[in-house]
Amino acid sequence: QKEVEQDPGPLSVPEGAIVSLNCTYSNSAFQYFMWYRQYSRKGPELLMYTYSSGNKEDGRFTAQVDKSSKYISLFIRDSQPSDSATYLCAMRGGGSYIPTFGRGTSLIVHP
Amino acid sequence: GAGVSQSPRYKVTKRGQDVALRCDPISGHVSLYWYRQALGQGPEFLTYFNYEAQQDKSGLPNDRFSAERPEGSISTLTIQRTEQRDSAMYRCASSFTSDEQFFGPGTRLTVL
Repeated sequence: QKEVEQDPGPLSVPEGAIVSLNCTYSNSAFQYFMWYRQYSRKGPELLMYTYSSGNKEDGRFTAQVDKSSKYISLFIRDSQPSDSATYLCAMRGGGSYIPTFGRGTSLIVHP
Repeated sequence: GAGVSQSPRYKVTKRGQDVALRCDPISGHVSLYWYRQALGQGPEFLTYFNYEAQQDKSGLPNDRFSAERPEGSISTLTIQRTEQRDSAMYRCASSFTSDEQFFGPGTRLTVL
């Protein structure tokens, strides 16, 4: 079993839908949680960064961490075709600078 | 420069040849990371530097892989005696703090 599990999709939704992307993990030492967006043929770019449990909102994006369930989510409201990309979760422990990435979920938002 | 740059963007080589992949981080970024990303997978850590010091090389697959950052800026990842299983996208990232890593466009390595 991998430390970080993420469904590869693809997830196909109509424009305007609310999207829910999720990851589960097994390492209880993880304290910092990140979501990256990766467009085709590009490098990942950081979208959201959270510490420990709770919610964080940034525009149409909300990141949620439930450490008790070892489960993190990224919600995208009013999804747009420009949101079509692969979304990677990543996480690291407090004593490490090295994140462990999920395999990414491919999201397709169709007009 | 505006972001992390990597060269070459594409490299095709024959099995047994050595290759050197270059990463030019964002100016002023202290930390530099190397990852390998297979198709349909997330980046897999290889090694990282703070300034010129290699802090962690635990992700390097074997002793054919090495990396250096002699002046604390540009870094080179070298793969000796390449094998077909080395074919992948190699990505570099840099950061000023531990919070956010900025990724480069990657070098697509194909070993024939």
